[in-house]
Amino acid sequence: EDKVVQSPLSLVVHEGDTVTLNCSYEVTNFRSLLWYKQEKKAPTFLFMLTSSGIEKKSGRLSSILDKKELSSILNITATQTGDSAIYLCAVGLIQGAQKLVFGQGTRLTINP
Amino acid sequence: DTEVTQTPKHLVMGMTNKKSLKCEQHMGHRAMYWYKQKAKKPPELMFVYSYEKLSINESVPSRFSPECPNSSLLNLHLHALQPEDSALYLCASSQEGQGGSTNEKLFFGSGTQLSVL
Repeated sequence: EDKVVQSPLSLVVHEGDTVTLNCSYEVTNFRSLLWYKQEKKAPTFLFMLTSSGIEKKSGRLSSILDKKELSSILNITATQTGDSAIYLCAVGLIQGAQKLVFGQGTRLTINP
Repeated sequence: DTEVTQTPKHLVMGMTNKKSLKCEQHMGHRAMYWYKQKAKKPPELMFVYSYEKLSINESVPSRFSPECPNSSLLNLHLHALQPEDSALYLCASSQEGQGGSTNEKLFFGSGTQLSVL
């Protein structure tokens, strides 16, 4: 059975801290790994990773994929209260790339 | 316009009611999705329409009936739901249909919060 596991499930830090969120996967026919941010209702796309070792960056957020370790990390530096959200990791498969396998999510809370 | 619009935002219905959820996108995307999300759980895929044809049905009960009238619109018809069907229903779209190289990048709507009494 295809599985995506995120850790920690919940994290509370102070504004300005740096956080690292983890995602590991056990799937057949890996094609891509994606990160989404869910504040309130609609998940919004952050990153899509297909190649190992290549960091993707967007402002204070960055992510990298390690295909050897079957994992990915999402880093957020200089956190702000607006970063508080659930961060979802999902894996797309070669067969049926339209079907994403989601992890349980990490609930991140940034306190002022 | 990079939005996926869902209506209504909230819906309360009885177990004998018939209602419909609506989703619209004007990004020219060729695949549209329905997901169900229970509290504190990740989204679960229900249906995928690719080029206006149903391409994935994740063994969803027949009380949920999807419809794709055209490439911009997606409906979910609800009939005789159970209280356990109460959840957030998310619509999403992706640029390409089945076989495309970017169809994992989903654009989500804000969802319909459904309560079944």
